[in-house]
Amino acid sequence: AQSVAQPEDQVNVAEGNPLTVKCTYSVSGNPYLFWYVQYPNRGLQFLLKYITGDNLVKGSYGFEAEFNKSQTSFHLKKPSALVSDSALYFCAVRDVTTGGFKTIFGAGTRLFVKA
Amino acid sequence: NAGVTQTPKFQVLKTGQSMTLQCAQDMNHEYMSWYRQDPGMGLRLIHYSVGAGITDQGEVPNGYNVSRSTTEDFPLRLLSAAPSQTSVYFCASSPRTGPSSYNSPLHFGNGTRLTVT
Repeated sequence: AQSVAQPEDQVNVAEGNPLTVKCTYSVSGNPYLFWYVQYPNRGLQFLLKYITGDNLVKGSYGFEAEFNKSQTSFHLKKPSALVSDSALYFCAVRDVTTGGFKTIFGAGTRLFVKA
Repeated sequence: NAGVTQTPKFQVLKTGQSMTLQCAQDMNHEYMSWYRQDPGMGLRLIHYSVGAGITDQGEVPNGYNVSRSTTEDFPLRLLSAAPSQTSVYFCASSPRTGPSSYNSPLHFGNGTRLTVT
């Protein structure tokens, strides 16, 4: 079965420092991976997605993600964190084994950026 | 272009009551879905639809019904609410279905927070 795991419930960083939010995946076939962000009382917003062949993916708000096939990881990164980056982040995978109609989400990682 | 619109934003029900959560999108998206979000569990798929007249079950369909009579609307019905259905519900859509859609992201509404007492 397709799945994603986010091993950290919470990540704390200081403003200006680099941040990493971790995600590992388990898929059959090619992985279709996504990162979403959720701000308080809002729906999820798309940040970026993995495109075959590009191991470093750039997305919205200065975020990027590094795809590592050997480690089955898709970690979200940002070189310099902002207080406004504080939010809930979800890694997700499209389940192509069932026709691609289902997106499976990780449990989420809460990011706190301290001024 | 409003995107995905969900109503109401908040709702309190008593056990056994019924209600319908509304979802509408104005992007002509084929695919629509309902998720529930619970702390520590991420989002879990309840039901989805790949076009008008076509619906299917997701991971946690029990206690919920859906229908898709138009491309724009995808309501979620709770027939007899239970405290276990206390959650935040999100509607999401995407443009296409099939292999060409595998890397299409979902577009989410702002959610409905439901409490069942």
